[in-house]
Order: sequence, then structure tokens, then C-alpha cells
Amino acid sequence: AQSVTQLGSHVSVSEGALVLLRCNYSSSVPPYLFWYVQYPNQGLQLLLKYTSAATLVKGINGFEAEFKKSETSFHLTKPSAHMSDAAEYFCAVRYTGFQKLVFGTGTRLLVSP
Amino acid sequence: GAGVSQSPSNKVTEKGKDVELRCDPISGHTALYWYRQSLGQGLEFLIYFQGNSAPDKSGLPSDRFSAERTGGSVSTLTIQRTQQEDSAVYLCASSSGTGESGNTIYFGEGSWLTVV
Repeated sequence: AQSVTQLGSHVSVSEGALVLLRCNYSSSVPPYLFWYVQYPNQGLQLLLKYTSAATLVKGINGFEAEFKKSETSFHLTKPSAHMSDAAEYFCAVRYTGFQKLVFGTGTRLLVSP
Repeated sequence: GAGVSQSPSNKVTEKGKDVELRCDPISGHTALYWYRQSLGQGLEFLIYFQGNSAPDKSGLPSDRFSAERTGGSVSTLTIQRTQQEDSAVYLCASSSGTGESGNTIYFGEGSWLTVV
């Protein structure tokens, strides 16, 4: 079954600290992987995507993610959190032959001063 | 247009009434998607259009839900005889091509539906 798991519904960090949001997919065939961010009362904005060109993907706002096939993971990181990063983050997967995105349950990032 | 446009942005309706939600995708995008976002349910896929056809409507929760797309552009999601559990944000998205190359799916701001 197509699924993606995000560990931790909430992650709290201090401003300036490392951000790590976890995402694991379930498939023996690497899918296309995406991270989206949702600010309050807004739609989803693409942060970055993995399409097999490179395992380390850089996105907007200083975020990056590394595709690790051996771990079936696509964790999102940012070296130094900013207050403006507080939002909900969704990992999504699209498998070859299927058109829809399947989303994880989301992780709310809280950033404290 | 510059982005995916949805209307209305907010809708409050009485239980049992029908509602229509509209989506205007990015110009030239052939693929269009509807998702539902509600508390406790996350982001649920509803239906996918390629042009005017809907090859995947597996996420529509009941026969009260229907969607159509005309002219390969605007889509309408209709909910008949609304129930309180239909209260959610309905998100429309679009992308170019068929998605096999990992094309980005762009989302609108959503239509917030409240059934009272």
C-alpha cells in the first residue's frame, strides 16, 4: 500500500537550533518525494522535491532533504531555525504509475525565542 | 492566472443543503486534483482529472460527492445533502503533464466549508 509516515505530530525547537522533521515511505521502488509547508490559513507550498536526479535536495528558505534508499527515508532539515519557520510540514509521495500525492499526517513545527 | 484559484474561500451552509466549490487551475495545467483537509484526518485525496476525464475518483467518500471539469480548465466539486462531517477545507491543485516526471503539484488556498 502506498503510505508515508511522519514521526512526531509536533516538533519544538529554539530559534537558531537544528530542525529535523522525519519522513519514511513504504516501497521497494523509490517514489517521487515532496515536502510541503502550510502556514496558518493558507494553502500548501512546495519546499522541495526528490525526482531521482540527486539524493541531496535543496529547497526554499534554507531547507534541504536527503533521500536514503537503504532507510526508505526523506528527512527534512534546516541548520538554524527561524521564528518564521513555524508552520505545519507535510511529506508526500507519488509512486510511478499513480498520479495522486499521498500525504503524511503532518508535523507542526514550533519555534521558541 | 498566476496560481490555483478557489471560490468561495469560506462557505457556511445548513445541514442538508447542496454546495458547489469551484477551482480554476493554473493556465495550461492538464492535471487537476481535489483534496480534503480536516482535523484528525489529514490530507485526503478525493479525485484526479486529466483533461476532462477523471481516471481516479477513488477518494470520493460517498455518492453525495461529485466533481466535473469542463473545457480542460475549471472544475466544480459538488456536495449534496451536506452533513456536519463534511466540514473541512477543500483544496484544489493542478500540475502540468501526467506527473511521471515528478511534476510539481501546485495548491490553491482552499475553500473552508462549515456545515451547521
